[in-house]
Amino acid sequence: QKEVEQNSGPLSVPEGAIASLNCTYSDRGSQSFFWYRQYSGKSPELIMSIYSNGDKEDGRFTAQLNKASQYVSLLIRDSQPSDSATYLCAVNKLYQTGANNLFFGTGTRLTVIP
Amino acid sequence: EPEVTQTPSHQVTQMGQEVILRCVPISNHLYFYWYRQILGQKVEFLVSFYNNEISEKSEIFDDQFSVERPDGSNFTLKIRSTKLEDSAMYFCASSDPHTTDTQYFGPGTRLTVL
Repeated sequence: QKEVEQNSGPLSVPEGAIASLNCTYSDRGSQSFFWYRQYSGKSPELIMSIYSNGDKEDGRFTAQLNKASQYVSLLIRDSQPSDSATYLCAVNKLYQTGANNLFFGTGTRLTVIP
Repeated sequence: EPEVTQTPSHQVTQMGQEVILRCVPISNHLYFYWYRQILGQKVEFLVSFYNNEISEKSEIFDDQFSVERPDGSNFTLKIRSTKLEDSAMYFCASSDPHTTDTQYFGPGTRLTVL
């Protein structure tokens, strides 16, 4: 069973529309959830973190978490061509040592059409 | 804004050769990580490092790999005898002691094994 699953897309939306990205995870004990943006050939860039059930908004981005359904989503409002990238969902695993590592999904490729 | 740096940006090596990838984490961070991303695949955890020792490592991180913090600023990943399948982007990440689950990634080193 995959740790973190995402629809690989590609997802195409027109400029100004809402892009909706989804992610499910398998470890029910996970506590920390992240969305990273990755442009082609570049490193992951952290855009949102979420820890509690519900919505968290930051500018045009809204992360949603439902731990009962083991589901995380990212909404991008007023999508811009510059939002075109691969969006990676990541789930944290915390060890007794205090160490963390992130489990990533395969990413959803988003294209915003001008 | 502080950032993680990595050198070189691109490393080409022959199969069987040793390579050392270098990272300078953000200065007040105490947790360090290496991830890799094979072209077209997801980002995968390799190893986490804290207090001058490995905290956790994945099954990918076998005896061919080692990590070291040779001084107060650098964090290195050594691959002892490279294989073709080691060709990938290698990302270093770091996190601060107060938000250990929030990891910031460096720009990556593209390793090509011929």
